[in-house]
Amino acid sequence: GAGVSQSPSNKVTEKGKDVELRCDPISGHTALYWYRQSLGQGLEFLIYFQGNSAPDKSGLPSDRFSAERTGGSVSTLTIQRTQQEDSAVYLCASSPPQTSNTGELFFGEGSRLTVL
Amino acid sequence: GEDVEQSLFLSVREGDSSVINCTYTDSSSTYLYWYKQEPGAGLQLLTYIFSNMDMKQDQRLTVLLNKKDKHLSLRIADTQTGDSAIYFCAESDGQNFVFGPGTRLSVLP
Repeated sequence: GAGVSQSPSNKVTEKGKDVELRCDPISGHTALYWYRQSLGQGLEFLIYFQGNSAPDKSGLPSDRFSAERTGGSVSTLTIQRTQQEDSAVYLCASSPPQTSNTGELFFGEGSRLTVL
Repeated sequence: GEDVEQSLFLSVREGDSSVINCTYTDSSSTYLYWYKQEPGAGLQLLTYIFSNMDMKQDQRLTVLLNKKDKHLSLRIADTQTGDSAIYFCAESDGQNFVFGPGTRLSVLP
């Protein structure tokens, strides 16, 4: 069965370049989350999409970060003018409608971004 | 804001029990979770407990919740080398999730 799929799995870029990270959630999951995991750190919430509602962008660290979710499915996280401190693993997670009795998040394997 | 705290490291000998502790601040949390992250992988749900429960047992795993003290623990019985991973505690109100920093469990032979 298809889980949450993220691409690329690894991305090395030069400081100042833009990057796009893609997340393909589990079919039928209405909620989609982006998190950032820096080396030795916990998960930092970035953005949350729920159905057709306006996204919760409260976790985005700067205006260089943006995300969209097209057609309620695939999401793209864009980082403009990357900085070395953006180096991290970017994790995407999806969740089924709230009728689920566990509220569980299903995570992808992450996109590891290295900014040189 | 909400906060979840965990100790960062734990080492145990193979066959011993592991106990990983977590404290949280949001009293409105509905669900509390333990996620496991193996090297190079995303997080996988290990177990969860509703906030109106005080204990849950699932094979080698026992979750204890002290709601008054906002303290959650995960006990792994007969710890094996395959249990070596990072364990994240998380709380949720059903929509917002707050994760702890993760406890790196090392299992020594």
